[in-house]
Amino acid sequence: EAGVTQSPTHLIKTRGQQATLRCSPISGHTSVYWYQQALGLGLQFLLWYDEGEERNRGNFPPRFSGRQFPNYSSELNVNALELEDSALYLCASSPADRVKNIQYFGAGTRLSVL
Amino acid sequence: AQTVTQSQPEMSVQEAETVTLSCTYDTSESDYYLFWYKQPPSRQMILVIRQEAYKQQNATENRFSVNFQKAAKSFSLKISDSQLGDAAMYFCAYSSNYGGATNKLIFGTGTLLAVQP
Repeated sequence: EAGVTQSPTHLIKTRGQQATLRCSPISGHTSVYWYQQALGLGLQFLLWYDEGEERNRGNFPPRFSGRQFPNYSSELNVNALELEDSALYLCASSPADRVKNIQYFGAGTRLSVL
Repeated sequence: AQTVTQSQPEMSVQEAETVTLSCTYDTSESDYYLFWYKQPPSRQMILVIRQEAYKQQNATENRFSVNFQKAAKSFSLKISDSQLGDAAMYFCAYSSNYGGATNKLIFGTGTLLAVQP
């Protein structure tokens, strides 16, 4: 069974550009979570999508947005990139039955903003 | 707001020995989950072990076990018979279990574990 897959592995952008990161959850999983792992700031919750709806977002500005598609894959968009957006962005998925609260992670997209 | 604290930025253990990683957390909730995740250099977060707050019994997964002290809000990870492949960053994480509430994970700052041959 394929795990959570993220693309691209690395992404290099310049300040002011837009970045799009993609995530495919484990088959059968309906929830997708995005986390930012920035140097010195640790892992911070960004967004949670479930059944195509945004369920919750962390303390990030509106230029961080995303969506979930009918096949449950997800995109994270970061507009007007700033230097401090450089980080590892991790996607995780969980099944419809979230009673166990287990999230399965992908290997991440390393975003570098120059 | 819930917080998770890992006070040991780095730890080192000899191969085949036992090491304990510390984690404390703060919450006013009574129903939650606690996790230990491992992040090797490959970057992928791997679930090591999970503890449900309402369960008194400490979770165990092969060489990994936890010491869950709910009253003290402490959740330490013990790794027995350490192997070279255990070298990684270890994150302690908290997740609320309230229906309708977000299932976001709140992470500690991590402990970098080195395993010496």
